[in-house]
Amino acid sequence: DAGVIQSPRHEVTEMGQEVTLRCKPISGHDYLFWYRQTMMRGLELLIYFNNNVPIDDSGMPEDRFSAKMPNASFSTLKIQPSEPRDSAVYFCASRLAGAYEQYFGPGTRLTVT
Amino acid sequence: DAKTTQPPSMDCAEGRAANLPCNHSTISGNEYVYWYRQIHSQGPQYIIHGLKNNETNEMASLIITEDRKSSTLILPHATLRDTAVYYCIAPSGSARQLTFGSGTQLTVLP
Repeated sequence: DAGVIQSPRHEVTEMGQEVTLRCKPISGHDYLFWYRQTMMRGLELLIYFNNNVPIDDSGMPEDRFSAKMPNASFSTLKIQPSEPRDSAVYFCASRLAGAYEQYFGPGTRLTVT
Repeated sequence: DAKTTQPPSMDCAEGRAANLPCNHSTISGNEYVYWYRQIHSQGPQYIIHGLKNNETNEMASLIITEDRKSSTLILPHATLRDTAVYYCIAPSGSARQLTFGSGTQLTVLP
């Protein structure tokens, strides 16, 4: 398997623009997690899905952030409108039900100017 | 999640064993201990997990004290490629969602 795939790998955008980050989990995995990493706050869990259903979005910083999982092989994290403080590396991870380990993607480095 | 405490940094000579400690004194009886690492600019990578028995896989060994209040991750023959931030985590959520702390920056020296 190719592992967790994220796109784009790098995104530079201007404040106020909409940003969409994409994730393809490992085939057959039941759980999908979105994380954000910054120097100040470290790695934070934003939201996770089980069988395409959002279970816990308590880590989503504010209403500007939204996440969807329309099917088992695709998820998006959208920021609208983006702000400079959203600059971070965003990771997607997936896990098989009953397994212990999460598999992380390579991340998307977002820079909002 | 049980709170975990790790030293912020450690050095290890290449070829020697790296022993990374973690305190988790508030861990409950059914909470596993997980170890992940993050090599610079990459996504975190799962290493190993355990409940109360010592565990070993191709990457590392995990030694958990009998009272389960602390554990040690052992990389038996550290290489330069093992330089990374190592995270000790004790998740409690139903989805075993991970709460990352600051971790230990391990630097393997040539």
